[in-house]
Amino acid sequence: DTAVSQTPKYLVTQMGNDKSIKCEQNLGHDTMYWYKQDSKKFLKIMFSYNNKELIINETVPNRFSPKSPDKAHLNLHINSLELGDSAVYFCASSQTVRETQYFGPGTRLLVL
Amino acid sequence: KNQVEQSPQSLIILEGKNCTLQCNYTVSPFSNLRWYKQDTGRGPVSLTIMTFSENTKSNGRYTATLDADTKQSSLHITASQLSDSASYICVVRVFYNQGGKLIFGQGTELSVKP
Repeated sequence: DTAVSQTPKYLVTQMGNDKSIKCEQNLGHDTMYWYKQDSKKFLKIMFSYNNKELIINETVPNRFSPKSPDKAHLNLHINSLELGDSAVYFCASSQTVRETQYFGPGTRLLVL
Repeated sequence: KNQVEQSPQSLIILEGKNCTLQCNYTVSPFSNLRWYKQDTGRGPVSLTIMTFSENTKSNGRYTATLDADTKQSSLHITASQLSDSASYICVVRVFYNQGGKLIFGQGTELSVKP
């Protein structure tokens, strides 16, 4: 029944490690997003894909690399993790770039 | 600069009371404005969406207003319930021909006490 799902829900790792977060949506949407929510609760868009093509790429370190194997999946790989990467990462999807976005439950990343 | 500011930053009210959250924006050109509810430990969920020509929109006990002239919106919650405790986020979209970017406010943390 889950519309937008993310794995893992929690991720604790050490500085310098490489990790991936996965996102899947079963809504048949064409557009998917990755957001970062910092400790002050601000949501900032990182990337957006439409039909597997990158359409938004905000000012994000190139240690972050999104990959969309198909329309239903958008994964986020992070190289050389830093303390400042600690945050909650949300995946979202929408039918088109103009429609309401549906968010996943978030992945809580803690870099030690 | 496109910005969305919300007030108050946090609010505590008693169950059954009403409250109003504010959102001021400087986004231009304006496309639409959404209010999201984010429960602790969960992703945001859309409550209402309003376009330029809409002044009021309701979703159950939630009523959003929009004044496009003063660039202000409010979210009124009637007869609050414990389950209303959450962060409420105002999001404004830049017009599509200017990129359609979403600008997020920092949220108002609402706590409803019994």
